[in-house]
Amino acid sequence: AQSVTQLGSHVSVSEGALVLLRCNYSSSVPPYLFWYVQYPNQGLQLLLKYTSAATLVKGINGFEAEFKKSETSFHLTKPSAHMSDAAEYFCAVSAPTNAGKSTFGDGTTLTVKP
Amino acid sequence: DTGVSQNPRHKITKRGQNVTFRCDPISEHNRLYWYRQTLGQGPEFLTYFQNEAQLEKSRLLSDRFSAERPKGSFSTLEIQRTEQGDSAMYLCASSLVQGGDNEQFFGPGTRLTVL
Repeated sequence: AQSVTQLGSHVSVSEGALVLLRCNYSSSVPPYLFWYVQYPNQGLQLLLKYTSAATLVKGINGFEAEFKKSETSFHLTKPSAHMSDAAEYFCAVSAPTNAGKSTFGDGTTLTVKP
Repeated sequence: DTGVSQNPRHKITKRGQNVTFRCDPISEHNRLYWYRQTLGQGPEFLTYFQNEAQLEKSRLLSDRFSAERPKGSFSTLEIQRTEQGDSAMYLCASSLVQGGDNEQFFGPGTRLTVL
């Protein structure tokens, strides 16, 4: 069984400020973890993924995330927010033993203020 | 563009009507997934295929829902006797199973509105 909890359904930051989106997971086997971004009326675009290699994962658009097994967390960060980062972000967990189907969190809407 | 495509992008229908959506995956991908996303929630798994075989269906997939992938390429999702609760975004994703991380590539979705 697997699940994802995203803490904070809405996060607001100023342009140029640090972005931190929180994700905690539960998985009975070593997980694969993903962060996706979704713009209005569009599908999901992969930002980055953790697949049991390096615990600090770098993705597109300057985002990165750190896998912390002891905290069962996979928080997403970006040092400096851009207006174009405003979107909805989803954390997802998958596992090699479950045919790759993903369980998603409920998402966090990021607002970037000028 | 050789990404995942879905048609139609939007569908408005009256309660009780049948609707069918199509998904064309990335051509060499052998796995295809359907998810449903309602407002304010993350996508929820519905079903998946490996080649033409439907290997798993979620309990969310009632008897009114049926999915096919007849030649292991495109897939269709049909909803019979639609209900207002079926209104959602239906997302398709595909992946290539190579013993790796099974990264999924998502299409733009079909937004269904049932009046």
